[in-house]
Amino acid sequence: AQSVTQPDIHITVSEGASLELRCNYSYGATPYLFWYVQSPGQGLQLLLKYFSGDTLVQGIKGFEAEFKRSQSSFNLRKPSVHWSDAAEYFCAGPDAGGTSYGKLTFGQGTILTVHP
Amino acid sequence: DGGITQSPKYLFRKEGQNVTLSCEQNLNHDAMYWYRQDPGQGLRLIYYSQIVNDFQKGDIAEGYSVSREKKESFPLTVTSAQKNPTAFYLCASSIDGSGAGEQFFGPGTRLTVL
Repeated sequence: AQSVTQPDIHITVSEGASLELRCNYSYGATPYLFWYVQSPGQGLQLLLKYFSGDTLVQGIKGFEAEFKRSQSSFNLRKPSVHWSDAAEYFCAGPDAGGTSYGKLTFGQGTILTVHP
Repeated sequence: DGGITQSPKYLFRKEGQNVTLSCEQNLNHDAMYWYRQDPGQGLRLIYYSQIVNDFQKGDIAEGYSVSREKKESFPLTVTSAQKNPTAFYLCASSIDGSGAGEQFFGPGTRLTVL
């Protein structure tokens, strides 16, 4: 079973609108979690990461994410979306196997379309 | 500048041929990974290596092989046994295999079987 899930395959927002991309996890202990962004035909770029401590994490490009244990969520937010934010976004966490350090499991990805 | 390079960017293969995808990093990272990406399926782990001269199968290793003779290099061979090799391949590295460090990704290689 996948340990990280992204419920939304495709989201469309207008430029200047706020954005929230959902990520749910299914780990018993507090996991480390990541958000990556991928432009078409490119590699993945790390937006932000959560290991422990403050549950609100700031990242690059004006993104932030909040870790909510009660909801098993790590949603990505941005107050005002720019056309250049159009891309695919991946949430990632430790592999469900638990014994293989370093392995990450990725959500299915959410494609973000931005309308002018 | 430190980073991960993958070559070539585009690769075309005839059925029945083996091809090798290159991945090089100058970040001095111990761990390296190969992923396959298909539309709507996220990233799937093919092989990973936590240290030189050691590597482990990932979730979809059948039809692929790797080597890790040098810390900075982790080439992936797509063999003729891989039934559906057309995909986007991503190489990544992390400072070590402890799990807490983020992975850094290369720009990818798009493989098309003709």
